[in-house]
Amino acid sequence: GAVVSQHPSWVICKSGTSVKIECRSLDFQATTMFWYRQFPKQSLMLMATSNEGSKATYEQGVEKDKFLINHASLTLSTLTVTSAHPEDSSFYICSARDGGTPTPYGYTFGSGTRLTVV
Amino acid sequence: QQQVKQSPQSLIVQKGGISIINCAYENTAFDYFPWYQQFPGKGPALLIAIRPDVSEKKEGRFTISFNKSAKQFSLHIMDSQPGDSATYFCAASRAGGYNKLIFGAGTRLAVHP
Repeated sequence: GAVVSQHPSWVICKSGTSVKIECRSLDFQATTMFWYRQFPKQSLMLMATSNEGSKATYEQGVEKDKFLINHASLTLSTLTVTSAHPEDSSFYICSARDGGTPTPYGYTFGSGTRLTVV
Repeated sequence: QQQVKQSPQSLIVQKGGISIINCAYENTAFDYFPWYQQFPGKGPALLIAIRPDVSEKKEGRFTISFNKSAKQFSLHIMDSQPGDSATYFCAASRAGGYNKLIFGAGTRLAVHP
């Protein structure tokens, strides 16, 4: 089946630094990738949608300059949290859609990244 | 119109019992209704999904019931096991656009031995 690899699984960084999270589709071409944020005991909140080779579309209220998304290839998308602060501490999850599977099916989620900003 | 309402927020079931989680939606353009299972510290994993052209789909111990006229769908877990203890999310999506999934709030299921 389709596999999405997300790295790192956890990261601790100092306040003011930037952190990059990678999301790779291992055995399929991901035409669209989604980035979610999840706080403890809450649902997944969609942050942005990215299509390969184009700019990401951010959900209302998500700072595009703070959460930089790059979808440079059909198998890799990255989320960079810039100038991280403690309030950015959360669980970040990516999802990729298999371009070879009929819309709107074929969503596969990564294993998530636990970000802690100290 | 984009909301998916999920209930209950938490559920305790005895081993061997039936777990039932309900979801309701408003947007009639939705045409894909998946259920995801999430364990602590992990990403969601697709459990089972249904399209509105069928009223029920069963995979092993997991069944989705779909009521198009009421705009409701539910997950039934038969013979619930302690290993089923997790958080379950319903979701909905529609064709066209970026096909983003709209998630329910989640149900924390605890199956007691």
